[in-house]
Amino acid sequence: DGGITQSPKYLFRKEGQNVTLSCEQNLNHDAMYWYRQDPGQGLRLIYYSQIVNDFQKGDIAEGYSVSREKKESFPLTVTSAQKNPTAFYLCASSSGPTSGIEQYFGPGTRLTVT
Amino acid sequence: SQQGEEDPQALSIQEGENATMNCSYKTSINNLQWYRQNSGRGLVHLILIRSNEREKHSGRLRVTLDTSKKSSSLLITASRAADTASYFCATDNAGNMLTFGGGTRLMVKP
Repeated sequence: DGGITQSPKYLFRKEGQNVTLSCEQNLNHDAMYWYRQDPGQGLRLIYYSQIVNDFQKGDIAEGYSVSREKKESFPLTVTSAQKNPTAFYLCASSSGPTSGIEQYFGPGTRLTVT
Repeated sequence: SQQGEEDPQALSIQEGENATMNCSYKTSINNLQWYRQNSGRGLVHLILIRSNEREKHSGRLRVTLDTSKKSSSLLITASRAADTASYFCATDNAGNMLTFGGGTRLMVKP
């Protein structure tokens, strides 16, 4: 899983609570990404950041928020506004936002909200 | 939006056989990437093919790209039980924003 760590591996929360997922990378990458994966499905982009202190919404940003205060860190908060938050969340990074660069993925966090 | 669609959704073969997975997409692309995901894990990059390339090889992997048909294929030759995983194509339209397909779940029986 490269130099990207996500914690915790499993996370359980009650409905109505906000929860923050951690993503740290030591690859000195400028760009970072958050994806959501539902069972048997592909990945959908939630948010991405091409540089520190800047981030953009992806395809399914509603109910999520992010920050990018440090190059190494890109935490994702799943808010109570997210209607169906139970999913597998993957963080990734790449050396830049330009086309044709592979993304490196973390091991993922499986969030269960009941 | 899901641009890439893999076919088949699931594939079961015997060790030693070849596995072919196909990916179709809808809009023009800069490049197409293939990733592998073991169950419950993160994705691992396998190979990238640019829009001006037609074929690329990496070890037992062979990827083709047909931009006129908006399709790509991933061939794994002489498969091994350790190749059991899900395989995803991802299209890069601009700025390294990847759009993933739904994946092909490959099972290689020993």
